[in-house]
Amino acid sequence: GAVVSQHPSRVICKSGTSVKIECRSLDFQATTMFWYRQFPKQSLMLMATSNEGSKATYEQGVEKDKFLINHASLTLSTLTVTSAHPEDSSFYICSASPLVGKGSSGANVLTFGAGSRLTVL
Amino acid sequence: SQKIEQNSEALNIQEGKTATLTCNYTNYSPAYLQWYRQDPGRGPVFLLLIRENEKEKRKERLKVTFDTTLKQSLFHITASQPADSATYLCALHSGGYQKVTFGIGTKLQVIP
Repeated sequence: GAVVSQHPSRVICKSGTSVKIECRSLDFQATTMFWYRQFPKQSLMLMATSNEGSKATYEQGVEKDKFLINHASLTLSTLTVTSAHPEDSSFYICSASPLVGKGSSGANVLTFGAGSRLTVL
Repeated sequence: SQKIEQNSEALNIQEGKTATLTCNYTNYSPAYLQWYRQDPGRGPVFLLLIRENEKEKRKERLKVTFDTTLKQSLFHITASQPADSATYLCALHSGGYQKVTFGIGTKLQVIP
């Protein structure tokens, strides 16, 4: 089945530094990947949709200059949290999907990475 | 605005019983409804998908129903086991690469 690898699983950094999280689809090509953030006891919130070869689409309220997304290949998307602050501490999870069915009418069944726990001191 | 409601309180049931979780939604006409399982500190894992024109879907001990009139889905786990203890997330989307929106999830605890 589809596998998504996410790295690192945990990262602790000082306030003001930048952190890069990698997301790879291991056995399928993903032209689109999704980045979510999850705070304790809250639902997964979509941050942005990462599109291979083009700019990411950010959700309302997500700062694109702070959360830089690069989708340079069909199997790799990266999220860089720039100038991190303690309020950026969260669980970041990437996902991708080989579409079920053909064409745009297929269902977007997501395969998630294991997540990255970011702690900003 | 679109809203997905899941009972955020934990559901405790005895091993062997059937667990039933509820997902209600408003201001949404999803083409697809999905259920995922999430264990602590891990990413969600896909379980089942049901389309708007389907009433029920089964997979082993799992059963999902989808009532587009009531705007509700029920997720059942029969013969529950302690290993079924996890948080179960309901998710909706309209198809294709449209974004998938998640509920807060319901934490299930199966007591031996």
